[in-house]
Amino acid sequence: AQKITQTQPGMFVQEKEAVTLDCTYDTSDPSYGLFWYKQPSSGEMIFLIYQGSYDQQNATEGRYSLNFQKARKSANLVISASQLGDSAMYFCAMSRNTGGFKTIFGAGTRLFVKA
Amino acid sequence: NAGVTQTPKFQVLKTGQSMTLQCAQDMNHNSMYWYRQDPGMGLRLIYYSASEGTTDKGEVPNGYNVSRLNKREFSLRLESAAPSQTSVYFCASSDRQGQGLRRYGYTFGSGTRLTVV
Repeated sequence: AQKITQTQPGMFVQEKEAVTLDCTYDTSDPSYGLFWYKQPSSGEMIFLIYQGSYDQQNATEGRYSLNFQKARKSANLVISASQLGDSAMYFCAMSRNTGGFKTIFGAGTRLFVKA
Repeated sequence: NAGVTQTPKFQVLKTGQSMTLQCAQDMNHNSMYWYRQDPGMGLRLIYYSASEGTTDKGEVPNGYNVSRLNKREFSLRLESAAPSQTSVYFCASSDRQGQGLRRYGYTFGSGTRLTVV
């Protein structure tokens, strides 16, 4: 069975510093996709970044990068130069194949950015 | 604005009542999904529809039914609401292939906060 684990319920980071949010996953499928989403206090879900299991390079999107270590089954999110607006809940997710079906989510990590 | 529209935004039901949550997307996406979000548990997939005319169970389908009315609309029905179904419900849609998923992931609606008393 597939599983996503986020072991950090809450994280603090100083404004302008980088922070890493951990995510490990478990699957027996050779083909899968990994996602990160942000949920601010307003409640909407915002897509941040995607990594396919066959991608050779780590995904990057602006200040977000995904540190993909396939052998370790980890897909950590790195946020560089944190901003106050980055304070939110962050969810790691995995789809069963790169087509995006049956995506499962981790429990989330709440990030607090301090001024 | 283009995106995923859910109605209603808030609802209070009595135990045993039924209701349908509506979802519509205008992005010409093939796939649509219903999730529920409970505190400390992330989002759990209730049902999904990979394409028009198909629906499949997710992680927590019991107590729910769905209808993919057409390519745009995907509704979720609670036939006999129970307090355990108190949750925030999200509808989402996505491109199935190509660069759509990679660039945009799932597009979520704003959610329906449902309370069953």
